[in-house]
Amino acid sequence: DAEITQSPRHKITETGRQVTLACHQTWNHNNMFWYRQDLGHGLRLIHYSYGVQDTNKGEVSDGYSVSRSNTEDLPLTLESAASSQTSVYFCASSRDPSYNEQFFGPGTRLTVL
Amino acid sequence: QQQVKQSPQSLIVQKGGISIINCAYENTAFDYFPWYQQFPGKGPALLIAIRPDVSEKKEGRFTISFNKSAKQFSLHIMDSQPGDSATYFCAASLIQGAQKLVFGQGTRLTINP
Repeated sequence: DAEITQSPRHKITETGRQVTLACHQTWNHNNMFWYRQDLGHGLRLIHYSYGVQDTNKGEVSDGYSVSRSNTEDLPLTLESAASSQTSVYFCASSRDPSYNEQFFGPGTRLTVL
Repeated sequence: QQQVKQSPQSLIVQKGGISIINCAYENTAFDYFPWYQQFPGKGPALLIAIRPDVSEKKEGRFTISFNKSAKQFSLHIMDSQPGDSATYFCAASLIQGAQKLVFGQGTRLTINP
């Protein structure tokens, strides 16, 4: 069955380290999104992509970057992890713009010490 | 900044009762209003969605009521069951183009048996 996966599911890192969170989907969806979930804030959009080589900044993009070299993957990189980036991160994907349903991965819980 | 405000933050309902969660939005250009359901340790999943050309949409025990003039929409869960205990997020976006979802803060719903 087609799915969207994230790895790792849990990660503990130290302040200042570079961290990359993986997201892989097998639906062949063009659109992919990264969100962070924090209590009291809901889900906030970090970066998104509408296709290979396309990336765009979301609401809370500072300190994060993404790259899209193929349809299936959108890795999220924290260039220099900060304690404020401790959060649960969700990747999502959707079909072309006429289909709005986003399918979410299981999430990655990141702790920055 | 485009915002979606959701209330209450938490809600406790007895089994068989009606659960009501409310959301208000600011951007009158929004034309797609989904509700997502999230169980602990899982990613959010689309529950039900509405376009502003209708005032109500019902799917089983779940109903969205939409008030365009007040810029408000709500989720009603009839005959609430313990299995409905989850966190619920409202969201809003544009159908065409950006497809970026703006989420509310979330409501933790507990259904007491």
